[in-house]
Amino acid sequence: DARVTQTPRHKVTEMGQEVTMRCQPILGHNTVFWYRQTMMQGLELLAYFRNRAPLDDSGMPKDRFSAEMPDATLATLKIQPSEPRDSAVYFCASGLSYEQYFGPGTRLTVT
Amino acid sequence: DAKTTQPPSMDCAEGRAANLPCNHSTISGNEYVYWYRQIHSQGPQYIIHGLKNNETNEMASLIITEDRKSSTLILPHATLRDTAVYYCIAARTMNSGGYQKVTFGIGTKLQVIP
Repeated sequence: DARVTQTPRHKVTEMGQEVTMRCQPILGHNTVFWYRQTMMQGLELLAYFRNRAPLDDSGMPKDRFSAEMPDATLATLKIQPSEPRDSAVYFCASGLSYEQYFGPGTRLTVT
Repeated sequence: DAKTTQPPSMDCAEGRAANLPCNHSTISGNEYVYWYRQIHSQGPQYIIHGLKNNETNEMASLIITEDRKSSTLILPHATLRDTAVYYCIAARTMNSGGYQKVTFGIGTKLQVIP
């Protein structure tokens, strides 16, 4: 049963620290999405990759967020420096189109 | 790009059919209707999608009106585990027009009552 995996599942860090979240998409999927979910904003799209190329990262604060796919089995989302307002659950999803399969999420708390 | 509107909440008795509506009156001809659900503290889960014909899978049925301006997701025999937020989105496939930014909105919170 193929699944999207995300690490870490939980992360608590202090303001100003670097945070790296990792995602392993389902083998064979050519699209990867990063989302952020908070109570106030709901589910927000941060970045989208197709065939490992970033096609849209307009949802990300460019000065502190970066997303990459160094290879087909790994997608990363990095925040540097982190701020308390970045506290949220970050989801990665992979798919062949908008039929997306989500990972369990990384719950980030920045104090 | 079509926007979708859904009622914020619904209740359904356990064992009965849950019918969740979605309005997408501005949907374009090449946009599909996708449904997802999110059970508390889990990642969203893909349920089903369709273009204009009704679709059925092991999880649910999707009924799309002939004019495609609205659709209904049907859970035929709701269980307590179906309690979740259900999202309806409209999007083209990647091959028929490339990428488009879609938003999930607030969805419908379905509460299945014992």
